[in-house]
Amino acid sequence: GQQLNQSPQSMFIQEGEDVSMNCTSSSIFNTWLWYKQDPGEGPVLLIALYKAGELTSNGRLTAQFGITRKDSFLNISASIPSDVGIYFCAGTSGLSYKLIFGSGTRLLVRP
Amino acid sequence: ETGVTQTPRHLVMGMTNKKSLKCEQHLGHNAMYWYKQSAKKPLELMFVYSLEERVENNSVPSRFSPECPNSSHLFLHLHTLQPEDSALYLCASSQASDQETQYFGPGTRLLVL
Repeated sequence: GQQLNQSPQSMFIQEGEDVSMNCTSSSIFNTWLWYKQDPGEGPVLLIALYKAGELTSNGRLTAQFGITRKDSFLNISASIPSDVGIYFCAGTSGLSYKLIFGSGTRLLVRP
Repeated sequence: ETGVTQTPRHLVMGMTNKKSLKCEQHLGHNAMYWYKQSAKKPLELMFVYSLEERVENNSVPSRFSPECPNSSHLFLHLHTLQPEDSALYLCASSQASDQETQYFGPGTRLLVL
């Protein structure tokens, strides 16, 4: 089946640093979404992208839908301790509405 | 209550038990989903209901049985589960016309002994 390659698997950074993570696919995607999951909770939708080249911000978070439609990145600026969690990319491809998820990037922030 | 709620939040059951997971959405959505999240694996879609009809059954074993009595409620009935079924079970909802944009509940952490 289709897979999303999400990297890095984990990051351990200092508070205040900027963070970048990305997702790639071998096939074209129609939508890209980024979710954050806190321990013991379900994923929370952060940003949704619907057009190639689209750049969208949500506070300190910025995500882009790659122009090749095969990748997306998420940037977090000036990280804070509450940014800790697992970030998932997800997307839909072809005629299917089914969301395909990446395996997640675990972010740890050192105060 | 707001968003998507799930009960119970934690469940421990033996392999011969029968239990049910409940999901309720307060977002006015008309599509609902069950996902399984296991350690170190991507989320796996199990079932999809759109406009109260099951539109997706992702090769899920029959020991998992979904039920969607109305657009706000979704159940997952469990019976004779295996230890490898231990996982976080997540419910999500969306508009049927925008199934890419899904909102998740907090999940039920299931342990099968």
